[in-house]
Amino acid sequence: SAVISQKPSRDICQRGTSLTIQCQVDSQVTMMFWYRQQPGQSLTLIATANQGSEATYESGFVIDKFPISRPNLTFSTLTVSNMSPEDSSIYLCSVGDRVSSGNTIYFGEGSWLTVV
Amino acid sequence: AQSVTQLGSHVSVSEGALVLLRCNYSSSVPPYLFWYVQYPNQGLQLLLKYTSAATLVKGINGFEAEFKKSETSFHLTKPSAHMSDAAEYFCAVSDFDFGNEKLTFGTGTRLTIIP
Repeated sequence: SAVISQKPSRDICQRGTSLTIQCQVDSQVTMMFWYRQQPGQSLTLIATANQGSEATYESGFVIDKFPISRPNLTFSTLTVSNMSPEDSSIYLCSVGDRVSSGNTIYFGEGSWLTVV
Repeated sequence: AQSVTQLGSHVSVSEGALVLLRCNYSSSVPPYLFWYVQYPNQGLQLLLKYTSAATLVKGINGFEAEFKKSETSFHLTKPSAHMSDAAEYFCAVSDFDFGNEKLTFGTGTRLTIIP
């Protein structure tokens, strides 16, 4: 199974600042996905990161607010820009595994951000 | 477009009783279906998945789910609830087979176990 590491695991951020979250996978994957889970809510897809191309954003999410990098097949970053308290959420990285475990989708442990 | 509906945002059962968490899906293609569990202050853990093989899927911690195409359902069950089952449960759907592993999640069901 794919092992996903996220950094930071938790952070408290000042309003107006930006924070970059890193996602590292132990195997090469074509697509990586970034989700947001606001307090007490379900998960919502922010964007899909494909190596070598610009990320694809879901409705309601824009590149200026959530810039994403995908420099290689095992790594991606998500930046939360100009943060406000409404950005306090868990941000999760996800990948699909098509080979070793018969099509499974895995998640990192999440990055728990609190904006004050 | 795919969607998932989880009936019951909160479910309470007594310890030792049957757990039934409901999930109905909508998909224009053969779906891949997943149940994830989130314990307090933790990330998501995969409980089980349906990927077009057996319709009755067994997962971890004694949970299982049955895919019923005629009812577009994928309900999660466990014969006997344990206190450690208290958590948030999410049903999710993906059209994995079409080159896209993104998930659409239901709104979640919080399971409380009564001693």
